[in-house]
Amino acid sequence: QVQLVQSGAEVKKPGASVKVSCKASGYTFTSYYMHWVRQAPGQGLEWMGIINPSGGSTSYAQKFQGRVTMTRDTSTSTVYMELSSLRSEDTAVYYCARGAHIVVLQGWFDPWGQGTLVTVSS
Amino acid sequence: DIVMTQTPLSLSVTPGQPASISCKSSQSLLHSDGKTYLYWYLQKPGQPPQLLIYEVSNRFSGVPDRFSGSGSGTDFTLKISRVEAEDVGVYYCMQSIQLPPTFGQGTKVEIK
Repeated sequence: QVQLVQSGAEVKKPGASVKVSCKASGYTFTSYYMHWVRQAPGQGLEWMGIINPSGGSTSYAQKFQGRVTMTRDTSTSTVYMELSSLRSEDTAVYYCARGAHIVVLQGWFDPWGQGTLVTVSS
Repeated sequence: DIVMTQTPLSLSVTPGQPASISCKSSQSLLHSDGKTYLYWYLQKPGQPPQLLIYEVSNRFSGVPDRFSGSGSGTDFTLKISRVEAEDVGVYYCMQSIQLPPTFGQGTKVEIK
């Protein structure tokens, strides 16, 4: 079955960086976009960006431009999201979610990873 | 960015009774390909969101038929015909006609 498994919880100090991984299985990794979405405690869903696992091209939400980097490793079917210059407001659960087939950009997000809690605290 | 506005933000429903959630977008979600890129998700406590409805009115695999979606253009509705205890959680609408995909604020559904 299609599955996304994310790395474990992280605790970081302000100003540090965090790199979260998302390992895909059960489908052709390079055929579907991957999105990253975050959710602050008790808050809604916030889209961060998208990566095309085939060519590695990315598009980021303006809010995170300059601080986020999304990469992929096709040999292990894993995508990564690195967020730098962390501040307390970045404390959130970070989700990867499979998007549409790469021949179209629009589409639903399914499945989602289980989420990775990143806590930023001094 | 397209703004998605949900109402109400919270709902308390007696089991077996219907429930309805509205979602309005700041721009039409009808694409030139004829599809309308509006989705509904349910996030149960402690879980990631799960897809319920895609392209306005299509139930995703395994979604009970008590869930239905309707609407067009900029106005959309999710209906639960008879709410069950397992339906508690936060419901989100989402558009993906253009980047960035955007979500509504969420509607928290609880059981009376």
